[in-house]
Amino acid sequence: GNSVTQMEGPVTLSEEAFLTINCTYTATGYPSLFWYVQYPGEGLQLLLKATKADDKGSNKGFEATYRKETTSFHLEKGSVQVSDSAVYFCALIPGFQKLVFGTGTRLLVSP
Amino acid sequence: EADIYQTPRYLVIGTGKKITLECSQTMGHDKMYWYQQDPGMELHLIHYSYGVNSTEKGDLSSESTVSRIRTEHFPLTLESARPSHTSQYLCASSETAILGTDTQYFGPGTRLTVL
Repeated sequence: GNSVTQMEGPVTLSEEAFLTINCTYTATGYPSLFWYVQYPGEGLQLLLKATKADDKGSNKGFEATYRKETTSFHLEKGSVQVSDSAVYFCALIPGFQKLVFGTGTRLLVSP
Repeated sequence: EADIYQTPRYLVIGTGKKITLECSQTMGHDKMYWYQQDPGMELHLIHYSYGVNSTEKGDLSSESTVSRIRTEHFPLTLESARPSHTSQYLCASSETAILGTDTQYFGPGTRLTVL
């Protein structure tokens, strides 16, 4: 079956620290991979995506690389800000099937 | 930025009331979805539509119903709200992509509280 596993949170960092949120997946075929971010009281916003192996998605200083050999799509940012505090969801969509979400990882950044 | 809207953003109602949560998108997307998000953050697909006059139930059983009479509009209705319906409801839409790997765009959500 199709599934996404994310590291459990909360992840607590100081401002300007390096961020990694791990995401691994199991999927049939060649899925597209996504990171969504949810700020407090808001809906989900698409942060970045990658559609094939070795693609790197990037946005707002965040990056993730589609690694087929390790079935991973880890989210990274070199220097986090307080405003990055949110819940981050890793997700995948296999072809012509439903979007599959991870359980979300809460990030807390302190000044 | 995605153009998908939900109203109301917040709703507090009493048990037994009928409510409709509105969702509309201006992107011309053929597919639309409703998700329920529990306090533990997990997202559950409750309804989806692949086009006008098409509606399907999702992975999580829900007492709500939906309709898709127009491409841009996908309302969700609860005939008789109960406290167990208290949750965050998220609407999303997508355009069918090559190989079926659509990108979904989400609205801001409706937080429903049933007393």
